[in-house]
Amino acid sequence: GQNIDQPTEMTATEGAIVQINCTYQTSGFNGLFWYQQHAGEAPTFLSYNVLDGLEEKGRFSSFLSRSKGYSYLLLKELQMKDSASYLCAVRVLTGGGNKLTFGTGTQLKVEL
Amino acid sequence: GAVVSQHPSRVICKSGTSVKIECRSLDFQATTMFWYRQFPKQSLMLMATSNEGSKATYEQGVEKDKFLINHASLTLSTLTVTSAHPEDSSFYICSAPTGTAFDNTQYFGPGTRLTVL
Repeated sequence: GQNIDQPTEMTATEGAIVQINCTYQTSGFNGLFWYQQHAGEAPTFLSYNVLDGLEEKGRFSSFLSRSKGYSYLLLKELQMKDSASYLCAVRVLTGGGNKLTFGTGTQLKVEL
Repeated sequence: GAVVSQHPSRVICKSGTSVKIECRSLDFQATTMFWYRQFPKQSLMLMATSNEGSKATYEQGVEKDKFLINHASLTLSTLTVTSAHPEDSSFYICSAPTGTAFDNTQYFGPGTRLTVL
């Protein structure tokens, strides 16, 4: 099976930078995703890493180290609207195709 | 980008009734769709993988006779919660990957909030 760990909650200040970590243990690794989810809504795609290194997309960056089973999501210039749950998800390639397994999510609260 | 829709967005039903939730891929064909369930303040749990033209694959602990999945076309998958009970109240979300098994994007529908009284 898969085991994915994220901090439960984080608080940061508007305009600051925050890093959300994710560690995983899995077999058949085929990529790691970060999603943002506001309360009562479906997740929206933020980033995807399959190779080691940093992927940057505007205010959001995501890093992956496959050997360490570790990823982080970096959010810069935080805005109030960034208050949401951030889900780390690992994709595993099985005989039946790809499957995503989600971590428990990190609830980020952005304060003034 | 690709769009996935769900209907209904919200449903309230009496205990013992059955509820059908539809998931549609609006501008792409999806041979595979995934059904997730999310309880309050918890993460998404994969329930089953819906495969067009064949039987769905259920995750361990998910009752296939209670959660009936039909993927009759390349753009539509349905999840029927049979004889729903209050413990089935949850947020049900479908998703569909575009392209091949190596595509890196999986789009989610807006979710269906089920409340069983």
